[in-house]
Amino acid sequence: DSGVTQTPKHLITATGQRVTLRCSPRSGDLSVYWYQQSLDQGLQFLIQYYNGEERAKGNILERFSAQQFPDLHSELNLSSLELGDSALYFCASSPAGTGDYDTEAFFGQGTRLTVV
Amino acid sequence: GEDVEQSLFLSVREGDSSVINCTYTDSSSTYLYWYKQEPGAGLQLLTYIFSNMDMKQDQRLTVLLNKKDKHLSLRIADTQTGDSAIYFCAETPSGGSYIPTFGRGTSLIVHP
Repeated sequence: DSGVTQTPKHLITATGQRVTLRCSPRSGDLSVYWYQQSLDQGLQFLIQYYNGEERAKGNILERFSAQQFPDLHSELNLSSLELGDSALYFCASSPAGTGDYDTEAFFGQGTRLTVV
Repeated sequence: GEDVEQSLFLSVREGDSSVINCTYTDSSSTYLYWYKQEPGAGLQLLTYIFSNMDMKQDQRLTVLLNKKDKHLSLRIADTQTGDSAIYFCAETPSGGSYIPTFGRGTSLIVHP
């Protein structure tokens, strides 16, 4: 158990809909990262939050957004869903943000999103 | 091209050694990692190596880094069926931002 909790584990929804994925980082970790894992794209970095603020952006679509709350949990919002958004979405956490080197990010078990 | 490249599949016999290879493009990479993903699970850090090291050994795992060729390998000695998983190579750049870039992963299949 990595200490990172993601809910729900599975989600099936229709095209055009909006979903919210939730992540609770390890206790004390300030950084949260979101990744998308799909068969054709591999593991793609989407976005990082550090202590409530957006720190870095990767290949995140404009239809997607995220936030990190004062209690440090994070949500990834996916809207106007398309079939191609079907993927495994991972959240990871680490103690620090930029400027400090963490030697490990701890990954949750992921949310499998299926868009039909 | 991709920043981190790995072959997609590797099949070995139980008891043999497995060698999973990875190449990366960022010469300023600071840390290089190997993560393991078992079916239905998240990624778990196996080991990492700092860029000024050539080799790191941890029980059955040996990591070799050739910084000149930007080549990283993971050797698993005495491979067991429980080692069957997807192995991801990842690197973090210098400059203070820890955001690992992952390869697509190598599926290791261990057969009796």
